[in-house]
Amino acid sequence: AQKITQTQPGMFVQEKEAVTLDCTYDTSDPSYGLFWYKQPSSGEMIFLIYQGSYDQQNATEGRYSLNFQKARKSANLVISASQLGDSAMYFCAMREGIDSASKIIFGSGTRLSIRP
Amino acid sequence: GAVVSQHPSWVICKSGTSVKIECRSLDFQATTMFWYRQFPKQSLMLMATSNEGSKATYEQGVEKDKFLINHASLTLSTLTVTSAHPEDSSFYICSQEKRGNRQETQYFGPGTRLLVL
Repeated sequence: AQKITQTQPGMFVQEKEAVTLDCTYDTSDPSYGLFWYKQPSSGEMIFLIYQGSYDQQNATEGRYSLNFQKARKSANLVISASQLGDSAMYFCAMREGIDSASKIIFGSGTRLSIRP
Repeated sequence: GAVVSQHPSWVICKSGTSVKIECRSLDFQATTMFWYRQFPKQSLMLMATSNEGSKATYEQGVEKDKFLINHASLTLSTLTVTSAHPEDSSFYICSQEKRGNRQETQYFGPGTRLLVL
């Protein structure tokens, strides 16, 4: 079974609009962490935001916020006021457990394209 | 600035040769590093977990004799693709974890593009 599911292979959004990228996860471990990464065409993986399973509040980092719905096991990324430079692949990822050697599993990604 | 470096960034080699990729921690010591592979238009797939001073832990389906991992120090892990073949052509990327009080981050290297002819 898929641990991390991103159901949107591609999205087109008008510049300056907000966009929500969907991510659902599956785990029975009470301790886990959720990540979002941006991968531009250069290939580098850029860390955007992190949400711990015990965090009471939704994580925010500048224009990025994570809509953490624990009961629904969803961790959608919201980008406010999108910019042309936001066009890239976006990956949701999860780490199960608290061990520093716990591996991170990635979703299939969403390609976001911002229209001028 | 960069936290993790990778070298080389590009490799083109003939089939049958071995290729070594270095992943270096610039900012902190990492007892654990992760190696991923990404084929075009696909997601990152974890290949192995590299542990300093001990053997790497490989994911199911990854040949440990083909993808040799050495983590000899707290700042350097190497991945050697032995007897590379065209199907090994991919984007190889390493990562390290850094934990703070309330946040953890996986820092990724810039990646190595391998093309086997």
